[in-house]
Amino acid sequence: AQKITQTQPGMFVQEKEAVTLDCTYDTSDPSYGLFWYKQPSSGEMIFLIYQGSYDQQNATEGRYSLNFQKARKSANLVISASQLGDSAMYFCAMREGNRDDKIIFGKGTRLHILP
Amino acid sequence: EAQVTQNPRYLITVTGKKLTVTCSQNMNHEYMSWYRQDPGLGLRQIYYSMNVEVTDKGDVPEGYKVSRKEKRNFPLILESPSPNQTSLYFCASSLSTGVLRELFFGEGSRLTVL
Repeated sequence: AQKITQTQPGMFVQEKEAVTLDCTYDTSDPSYGLFWYKQPSSGEMIFLIYQGSYDQQNATEGRYSLNFQKARKSANLVISASQLGDSAMYFCAMREGNRDDKIIFGKGTRLHILP
Repeated sequence: EAQVTQNPRYLITVTGKKLTVTCSQNMNHEYMSWYRQDPGLGLRQIYYSMNVEVTDKGDVPEGYKVSRKEKRNFPLILESPSPNQTSLYFCASSLSTGVLRELFFGEGSRLTVL
């Protein structure tokens, strides 16, 4: 069974609209961490945001926020006021438990921002 | 500048010719890891290292070797490359304080095995 599921292989969104990228995860460990990374066409992996399972509030970083719904095991990334430069592949990832060794990635969602 | 450096960035080679992809970080990070990225499969972990002389297999270790003789370096070795190892490879590192919160990635190495 997949530990990280990103159900949207691709999305097209109009510039300036808000975007929600879906991510669901599967773990029985009460302690875990969730990450989002952006990969533009140039190929590098850019860290966007982190949410710990015990964090009381949803993480936010500028235009990025993580909609963390623990009971539903979802960690959706929300990008407000999308820009053309947001066009990229986005990966959701999970650190299971307090183990630093394994970070599991989803298959990614390719986001296209339309002018 | 804090960074993870991989070399080479691009390589075309032939089946069976041993190659090494180097990875070096200048952040004194304890944790280092190798991933491969293939279309439709996301990133899959090959090997990781929690510290010097400590390495362990990830999800797809077959056909690869690693070593961690120094804290800063974590080379990926393909003893006898095959076409199914054609992929985009990423090295990553983290301080590993017990609760990893961010992985720093290298720029990637695109490998083609003919």
